[in-house]
Amino acid sequence: EPEVTQTPSHQVTQMGQEVILRCVPISNHLYFYWYRQILGQKVEFLVSFYNNEISEKSEIFDDQFSVERPDGSNFTLKIRSTKLEDSAMYFCASSVPGSGELFFGEGSRLTVL
Amino acid sequence: GIQVEQSPPDLILQEGANSTLRCNFSDSVNNLQWFHQNPWGQLINLFYIPSGTKQNGRLSATTVATERYSLLYISSSQTTDSGVYFCAGTAYSGAGSYQLTFGKGTKLSVIP
Repeated sequence: EPEVTQTPSHQVTQMGQEVILRCVPISNHLYFYWYRQILGQKVEFLVSFYNNEISEKSEIFDDQFSVERPDGSNFTLKIRSTKLEDSAMYFCASSVPGSGELFFGEGSRLTVL
Repeated sequence: GIQVEQSPPDLILQEGANSTLRCNFSDSVNNLQWFHQNPWGQLINLFYIPSGTKQNGRLSATTVATERYSLLYISSSQTTDSGVYFCAGTAYSGAGSYQLTFGKGTKLSVIP
């Protein structure tokens, strides 16, 4: 069964460093998403992406964050200068147009020291 | 905005027992999904169930859209079922994408 894959599974970084989280969505999916879950809290929407541009974003998704589809298969989330409060699980998801069913990857755990 | 509420918040089961988890959602939700987050934090897709009933092994889910609730049934629970179960609802935003709103989850602990 096709699945969304994410790398790395865990990354530890120093405050102020740039981090790139990578995702390979399911091949025929055209909508891509990033969600975040701070430890012990709800999973929250960050951003959706379609046709090489941001479709929607939440208040959390500020200028520190950016997304990109660099090569037609990968979908990346970049955090420019990490803060302690960016420590969280980051989930990538994808969907086909017109479908409300989102398929999630297993997540990337980011720890900022 | 979309409201998704789950109950109970915590549940402890003896291995082999059955359980029912509930998710209530607001009028604007027209799609519903269930997820299992295992102790390592990984999010596992369980069901996409806007309405009706689906079954997958020992798990089944029913959504009654007209009454704005969904139920997840776990039968003959095993210790590997432990973790947090989330339901999440979407409403079409008009921009082409669907934003999922997650509930706070039900934390299930299955003890041997």
